[in-house]
Amino acid sequence: SQQGEEDPQALSIQEGENATMNCSYKTSINNLQWYRQNSGRGLVHLILIRSNEREKHSGRLRVTLDTSKKSSSLLITASRAADTASYFCATANYGQNFVFGPGTRLSVLP
Amino acid sequence: NAGVTQTPKFRVLKTGQSMTLLCAQDMNHEYMYWYRQDPGMGLRLIHYSVGEGTTAKGEVPDGYNVSRLKKQNFLLGLESAAPSQTSVYFCASSLAGGETGELFFGEGSRLTVL
Repeated sequence: SQQGEEDPQALSIQEGENATMNCSYKTSINNLQWYRQNSGRGLVHLILIRSNEREKHSGRLRVTLDTSKKSSSLLITASRAADTASYFCATANYGQNFVFGPGTRLSVLP
Repeated sequence: NAGVTQTPKFRVLKTGQSMTLLCAQDMNHEYMYWYRQDPGMGLRLIHYSVGEGTTAKGEVPDGYNVSRLKKQNFLLGLESAAPSQTSVYFCASSLAGGETGELFFGEGSRLTVL
């Protein structure tokens, strides 16, 4: 069964706007990660946030984690056409595995 | 660095045929994973390995076998392909597994079973 569930399933915005994607999960985690997948390509790691962290930044990315609500959000500021991709959250429990949600498809229109 | 390399990138099989997907990584990672990606389903873990000579079942292991004879290689086999195995397969590796590591992915292998 899937651990993470992203919301919304699809998002369309104009270039320059901010994009926010949410991820909910069900069980205790060690960390939560966000990945990007361009069409026809493999996934690329964006950012990792640990269970004892509440917010993390990397360039135009901002990730928050609320362990009490079992949820995370990914904010992409000042979006660009090149940000068009699918975004996945992945949760890691205290074992070896990563569990992915179904993803959010982001379209950034020029 | 090549990172994670998957071969072949595309393959068409007939029902009942067998094949092997090869994954090779040059990062000296201990952990390797095989996922399948289907529309609207995200990635589902098929099998994984925590080191040379070890393998373990993931979420959807039925119909697949794996081997990790060398640390850098992780093979995924289909003994008797079925149309339900039509999917895009991704191999990934990680230095430290779920506790601290991030995943590095290959570019995928698109398999069609007729």
